[in-house]
Amino acid sequence: DTEVTQTPKHLVMGMTNKKSLKCEQHMGHRAMYWYKQKAKKPPELMFVYSYEKLSINESVPSRFSPECPNSSLLNLHLHALQPEDSALYLCASSQGRGDQETQYFGPGTRLLVL
Amino acid sequence: AQSVSQHNHHVILSEAASLELGCNYSYGGTVNLFWYVQYPGQHLQLLLKYFSGDPLVKGIKGFEAEFIKSKFSFNLRKPSVQWSDTAEYFCAVNALGFGNEKLTFGTGTRLTIIP
Repeated sequence: DTEVTQTPKHLVMGMTNKKSLKCEQHMGHRAMYWYKQKAKKPPELMFVYSYEKLSINESVPSRFSPECPNSSLLNLHLHALQPEDSALYLCASSQGRGDQETQYFGPGTRLLVL
Repeated sequence: AQSVSQHNHHVILSEAASLELGCNYSYGGTVNLFWYVQYPGQHLQLLLKYFSGDPLVKGIKGFEAEFIKSKFSFNLRKPSVQWSDTAEYFCAVNALGFGNEKLTFGTGTRLTIIP
């Protein structure tokens, strides 16, 4: 089973709202990722958690705040977003054990910021 | 930093035609290589991957890819495409030594199959 689940599937929020995206995997993976994908573009890495610790932050604005409460769960807290933040937000996970990592992606949350 | 190039932005083929999508990367060290597919309205799915060993790797749905180290290439092939192969295809590279978690994607190739 290589399933990564994400909720919600769709989200519409205003620029003053606070919302959260959730990602879950039960494959025993120890690395989890957030990507942002604009239409007709490749995914862009935002954050990487390795063994529940933030290991990579690709200079993402502070209005995006990741959280990894445990090894199966990854959240992305959103606050005061801009319309240009509208995109598909993808979560991925991988084994986190070595140099042959394969990332498995969830279906994404399609976010619209008004 | 490593980069990945997919020179074919949009490829249009008829059913049963053969397919080859190009992927080149820029990194002189050891790499892991991947092809992902994104069907319309669906999430990224792993088609195939190369870590080491036989440079010709086979993936799902009849796809294969060949790693040619001297050309820094990892082209995707399928001998006979079907209408259901219509999708966006992304090549991705993990350059070992730059952080094993970092996956760099190419810009993608949109494949349209005409019935």
